[in-house]
Amino acid sequence: EAQVTQNPRYLITVTGKKLTVTCSQNMNHEYMSWYRQDPGLGLRQIYYSMNVEVTDKGDVPEGYKVSRKEKRNFPLILESPSPNQTSLYFCASSFKPIAIYEQYFGPGTRLTVT
Amino acid sequence: GQQVMQIPQYQHVQEGEDFTTYCNSSTTLSNIQWYKQRPGGHPVFLIQLVKSGEVKKQKRLTFQFGEAKKNSSLHITATQTTDVGTYFCAGPRGNKLVFGAGTILRVKS
Repeated sequence: EAQVTQNPRYLITVTGKKLTVTCSQNMNHEYMSWYRQDPGLGLRQIYYSMNVEVTDKGDVPEGYKVSRKEKRNFPLILESPSPNQTSLYFCASSFKPIAIYEQYFGPGTRLTVT
Repeated sequence: GQQVMQIPQYQHVQEGEDFTTYCNSSTTLSNIQWYKQRPGGHPVFLIQLVKSGEVKKQKRLTFQFGEAKKNSSLHITATQTTDVGTYFCAGPRGNKLVFGAGTILRVKS
């Protein structure tokens, strides 16, 4: 089954404790993105990757890092999480550039930073 | 930078009533995409509009792209409880995608 998977689905952590949210897709898509969703703000892009080793900042990259060492994986790293990073996070992938093609979203990761 | 504004933020309708959400951009868009997110779920792609004045239908859903390609709408005829969720529009900015804040639809049966 074609899908985007994220782990963990739920995470409660404390300020400053480094964490990684994994994202994997099995559709051989070149384009992958991370978004955060907050009430009243919609989906805001954190980082974007056009291919292996090629990434670009989105609208809200501060406090986040990404890497794309393999085509299928696009982990999101929070080196020192803070409470303002409490949010619902979605990974997405696309066969073509996201500006012109549909994206497939993962199930989401709900992160709480205390 | 380019923004995509979506209204209303929230709408609660009686089952069988119609529903419309509107999307407006500060700049001309090459295309616009629409996504639906069910409560507790993830966004799912519905459609992409590309041409000026384009109208596309998916069963009870009608999507329009304005003549100036700066606005779009999604209209649902005779809503059903299965229509509940948040509807997002999204427009390109360079090689990225900017989402509207979404319209939350609740349907009362």
